[in-house]
Amino acid sequence: DIQMTQSPSSLSASVGDRVTITCRASRGLNNFLAWFQQKPGKAPKSLIYAASSLQSGVPSKFSGSGSGTEFTLTISSLQPEDFATYYCQQYIGFPITFGQGTRLEIK
Amino acid sequence: QVHLVESGGGVVQPGRSLRLSCAASGFTFSNYGMHWVRQAPGKGLESMAVISYDGSNEYYVDSVKGRFTISRDNSKNTLYLQINSLRAEDTAVYYCAKDFGTYSGLLDYWGQGTLVTVSS
Repeated sequence: DIQMTQSPSSLSASVGDRVTITCRASRGLNNFLAWFQQKPGKAPKSLIYAASSLQSGVPSKFSGSGSGTEFTLTISSLQPEDFATYYCQQYIGFPITFGQGTRLEIK
Repeated sequence: QVHLVESGGGVVQPGRSLRLSCAASGFTFSNYGMHWVRQAPGKGLESMAVISYDGSNEYYVDSVKGRFTISRDNSKNTLYLQINSLRAEDTAVYYCAKDFGTYSGLLDYWGQGTLVTVSS
């Protein structure tokens, strides 16, 4: 199975900040990488697919980049509603696997 | 709009069985693959199983092979997960999720989840 490792595991930031989360895969994914946002008690929400394509309705403050084994999710101009846990997920093959999550907290 | 509603969770004794359901609406269910993903309390997301749009292909994570069975009824727009021989470590919120395609692995919509608690 492909292992997905996110860093950092948690991150404190202030409203208005720009943050970057990294996701590394144990083998090359081409660009078969997605990002999700999950708020407490809620289902995950799709943000990005194909490493850098924004899902419909997702604001452009979210951006993704990378290919191969290293990917990043950048969130600009943080707002209170952005504080959540973020997961990367590979879908180059089954089983699909997720990173362990990055918890973004308000400083 | 896409709407997925899971049901069937609850408190179950170890060793018993449970069938989860996921009612789909807002899209042509029979055109898309479907997934079950679980999340243990305070933990991350873990894929359990996937089924292709027509039910002809299934895939299970190794840890549940032989105990979990994914199925679908396209006439009822419903996805199922049969879980046998429940263990304490199966305690989790179980989400169904829609595949972006017929069997791609890319998830685009999720249900709100149903909680399964395995306890005596």
